[in-house]
Amino acid sequence: GAVVSQHPSRVICKSGTSVKIECRSLDFQATTMFWYRQFPKKSLMLMATSNEGSKATYEQGVEKDKFLINHASLTLSTLTVTSAHPEDSSFYICSAPPSTDTQYFGPGTRLTVL
Amino acid sequence: GESVGLHLPTLSVQEGDNSIINCAYSNSASDYFIWYKQESGKGPQFIIDIRSNMDKRQGQRVTVLLNKTVKHLSLQIAATQPGDSAVYFCAENSGSGNTGKLIFGQGTTLQVKP
Repeated sequence: GAVVSQHPSRVICKSGTSVKIECRSLDFQATTMFWYRQFPKKSLMLMATSNEGSKATYEQGVEKDKFLINHASLTLSTLTVTSAHPEDSSFYICSAPPSTDTQYFGPGTRLTVL
Repeated sequence: GESVGLHLPTLSVQEGDNSIINCAYSNSASDYFIWYKQESGKGPQFIIDIRSNMDKRQGQRVTVLLNKTVKHLSLQIAATQPGDSAVYFCAENSGSGNTGKLIFGQGTTLQVKP
């Protein structure tokens, strides 16, 4: 089946630093990828839609300057959390649709900001 | 507004019994629904999907039922096993076609007692 990977799986950083998270589709190409955020014991919240070759589309309330998204190729999207603060600590998950059907999710990245 | 929700936050069943997890949705125009399983610290895993032109779909040990009249979706797991313990989310595809954004329900935690 379709495989989506994320790197790193866990990251701990100091407040004020920036963190980059990569999302790759391993056996298919994806012109669109999605980034979600999940707090403990909560559901997934869509942050933005990453579009290959164009700007990302952000959901209401998500700061585009805070969460930079770059869809550099048909198999790679990156999410950069800039000037991270403790409240940015969360589980970040990406997804990609291998076809016109459902989306497959990456394993997630646990971000802890000290 | 649109919402997808689950009726119960936690479901506890005995190993070997059948499990039924419910989901209510509010957007009558939705035409595609997905069930995901999420284990602790991992990304959501696709279980089964269903389109609005169907009312039932079966997979391996799982069945999804869709009742468009009352906007209700359910996931049935036969002969529940300890490995089925996880959080289950229903999701609704809200975008155009089937590559749009997913709206997730709040999740139901399934606990399987040995």
